Amino acid sequence: NAGVTQTPKFQVLKTGQSMTLQCAQDMNHEYMSWYRQDPGMGLRLIHYSVGAGITDQGEVPNGYNVSRSTTEDFPLRLLSAAPSQTSVYFCASSYSRVSSGNTIYFGEGSWLTVV
Amino acid sequence: KNQVEQSPQSLIILEGKNCTLQCNYTVSPFSNLRWYKQDTGRGPVSLTIMTFSENTKSNGRYTATLDADTKQSSLHITASQLSDSASYICVVSPEGDKLIFGTGTRLQVFP
Repeated sequence: NAGVTQTPKFQVLKTGQSMTLQCAQDMNHEYMSWYRQDPGMGLRLIHYSVGAGITDQGEVPNGYNVSRSTTEDFPLRLLSAAPSQTSVYFCASSYSRVSSGNTIYFGEGSWLTVV
Repeated sequence: KNQVEQSPQSLIILEGKNCTLQCNYTVSPFSNLRWYKQDTGRGPVSLTIMTFSENTKSNGRYTATLDADTKQSSLHITASQLSDSASYICVVSPEGDKLIFGTGTRLQVFP
């Protein structure tokens, strides 16, 4: 059981480049989300999805796009990378909405550096 | 404003000792409170989940308590091991689809 799989693990981008962080889960979870983790701050929600075809913005959505065409996949796209997007990105999933109390599973993270 | 504050920021203990980490929150209303363990360079892993009506929840050597009246939670680690060295994150879920994360307590266990 792979759980939540993120790729790539590490990436260096030049300012202005675009890229996609991939996230896949094999647990048939409805709820998926993307967070960024910066030094001295708690994880912050970028975008989330409560099911295929449904996405919504989190706390820090600017500069990022998401789509949810299947239950399994939830890619995060950086449209035009900026140094402020240098961070560690985590994808997470759970069986249902987080308020339900279900366990939330996190991926291993994607380290992104924008130069 | 919904906030989650954790203390101490960092903690050093000797192997075999017990320790307690604190979490204070101002989230209201809230549906559940979670504790996560995050090893360096890894993703967070769930330790406990408590609803507002639960007072305590255990997972092996980890015991979480919750006082919804004072909006405080604690994570007690018994008989610490070197593998307990990690960051411990308190996470509160208000009603809805979002989580509010604390900044974590970094625990170091030395032999």
